[in-house]
Amino acid sequence: EAGVAQSPRYKIIEKRQSVAFWCNPISGHATLYWYQQILGQGPKLLIQFQNNGVVDDSQLPKDRFSAERLKGVDSTLKIQPAKLEDSAVYLCASSPRRGGPDTQYFGPGTRLTVL
Amino acid sequence: KQEVTQIPAALSVPEGENLVLNCSFTDSAIYNLQWFRQDPGKGLTSLLLIQSSQREQTSGRLNASLDKSSGRSTLYIAASQPGDSATYLCACVYNFNKFYFGSGTKLNVKP
Repeated sequence: EAGVAQSPRYKIIEKRQSVAFWCNPISGHATLYWYQQILGQGPKLLIQFQNNGVVDDSQLPKDRFSAERLKGVDSTLKIQPAKLEDSAVYLCASSPRRGGPDTQYFGPGTRLTVL
Repeated sequence: KQEVTQIPAALSVPEGENLVLNCSFTDSAIYNLQWFRQDPGKGLTSLLLIQSSQREQTSGRLNASLDKSSGRSTLYIAASQPGDSATYLCACVYNFNKFYFGSGTKLNVKP
């Protein structure tokens, strides 16, 4: 079974530029999550999708971050414009069940550096 | 507000030692608690999952315990090996499968 795929693996941009990350979850998984992990901290949930609907985006900085999950499969996370404090690893995870307690399967992450 | 704290932040031990990593949480209304391993440049790998009704869970040289009443979990690693070097993250899982992570313990096992 293929794992969660993410691209790109690394990205370096200047502040005020825009950037997009892509995630392909494990086939058949209903729920998809985007996390931000700042160096030295644990992952923090940005947004949670169930199929193609948003379950929770309470910690997503909506003035600059956006995310979508078209057709309930792949997802993209966009930052526009980027700030220095957005430098972090962006992790995508998926889980099979709808809303119930379940483990999450994580992708390798995208390391973003904002200069 | 759910807060998860891990102590120590970093730990260095010689190979062969037994060690304990600690995790504490403020909201005891958890569905389960999970321990993950994170290697540099890689995602998280699930190690152990303890249901809220369980007291402990074992996998090989790893043993995790859970005490909901005191808001604590420990991860015990027996006979540590250099390959165990990684960051260990504790995650408390709440309603709607929301994960709250600690900041992790960075473990270095010296040969």
